[in-house]
Amino acid sequence: AQRVTQPEKLLSVFKGAPVELKCNYSYSGSPELFWYVQYSRQRLQLLLRHISRESIKGFTADLNKGETSFHLKKPFAQEEDSAMYYCALNRGGNTGKLIFGQGTTLQVKP
Amino acid sequence: DVKVTQSSRYLVKRTGEKVFLECVQDMDHENMFWYRQDPGLGLRLIYFSYDVKMKEKGDIPEGYSVSREKKERFSLILESASTNQTSMYLCASSLMAGGYYEQYFGPGTRLTVT
Repeated sequence: AQRVTQPEKLLSVFKGAPVELKCNYSYSGSPELFWYVQYSRQRLQLLLRHISRESIKGFTADLNKGETSFHLKKPFAQEEDSAMYYCALNRGGNTGKLIFGQGTTLQVKP
Repeated sequence: DVKVTQSSRYLVKRTGEKVFLECVQDMDHENMFWYRQDPGLGLRLIYFSYDVKMKEKGDIPEGYSVSREKKERFSLILESASTNQTSMYLCASSLMAGGYYEQYFGPGTRLTVT
């Protein structure tokens, strides 16, 4: 079965501390994974996708097929990173349908 | 910039009422989606449409229906609203570009059913 699991509902860190938001997936085949972010009073938007291997706002995410994980990392958290983060998996086919995880709220304290 | 708009930010309805949630996108996207967003459950797909008049059930279609008469507009209908349909509803549209689909979301409609 296709599934995305984000084990932490809330992650609270101090400004300047490293951040790792966990995401595990279940998918038979070659997965296509994304991180979406929703800042307070803003709409949900794409943060990054695994295939581009880019760093956005200091965040990176590496696909680990052996551990079926796609954790989101940032070495030094900023207060403006406080938001809800969703990991998402392409369900396959040519529809672009996604399965979303439960979401993790990141709270960066000053 | 892709713009996805939803007809209402907040809506309060009574149990048993028929409710219409409207979504409009201005980028000629083929695919449109309706999700509900609940704390601890993430986003769950209600319905998906890949073309005018074409639709597919998502993971939680019970109690909902949809309509897509024009490419830019995708409506979610609650035939008889119930309190367990109180939620945030998000509409999204997507198009393949650069080899992948990016979903663009509307601002959401917070529906309360009393």
